[in-house]
Amino acid sequence: SQTIHQWPATLVQPVGSPLSLECTVEGTSNPNLYWYRQAAGRGLQLLFYSVGIGQISSEVPQNLSASRPQDRQFILSSKKLLLSDSGFYLCAWSGFPGGRETQYFGPGTRLLVL
Amino acid sequence: DQQVKQNSPSLSVQEGRISILNCDYTNSMFDYFLWYKKYPAEGPTFLISISSIKDKNEDGRFTVFLNKSAKHLSLHIVPSQPGDSAVYFCAASVLRGNEKLTFGTGTRLTIIP
Repeated sequence: SQTIHQWPATLVQPVGSPLSLECTVEGTSNPNLYWYRQAAGRGLQLLFYSVGIGQISSEVPQNLSASRPQDRQFILSSKKLLLSDSGFYLCAWSGFPGGRETQYFGPGTRLLVL
Repeated sequence: DQQVKQNSPSLSVQEGRISILNCDYTNSMFDYFLWYKKYPAEGPTFLISISSIKDKNEDGRFTVFLNKSAKHLSLHIVPSQPGDSAVYFCAASVLRGNEKLTFGTGTRLTIIP
């Protein structure tokens, strides 16, 4: 079966500090990978998606970046966090065997920037 | 531009009754639709989906209806149970595109015992 892991589960960071959130998927190969953010009281906003190693597409301009160093690893980073970066960050995957049209989400990381 | 809209931010339903959650979309290119359920501080869980070649898909207590002409879909939960209390998101995508999902803003469903 397929599982998706995210860590850390919760993170409190000062403004201006760097960020690294990690997501890994098990039980599949060549998945599409996605990073979403859910701000307080709002829906899910797609930040980045990747269809393969080193292939990253950005959906919204921001001070965040993403990388995919391995097939089943997706990393969300920032060099300097802003207050507005606070939110709930979700990683998702799609692909075999469920098909690329359905995305499955990880448990999420709650980020609070102070 | 909100291409997927859930106009009811909240809904309360008596246990055992039917819950109906609604979703409207504006992009006529969307041809695949999904519903997710989300508990606080957890990732969304996939519930059910439907492609535009169908107008109904059923899975246990969950049924999704699609009205393409009205650009409207709905999720029916029968009978509603206390564990169904959560935020429900609808999402849409264009198949054979890049499979990106566009989400609505969610509806908080509360099941009253």
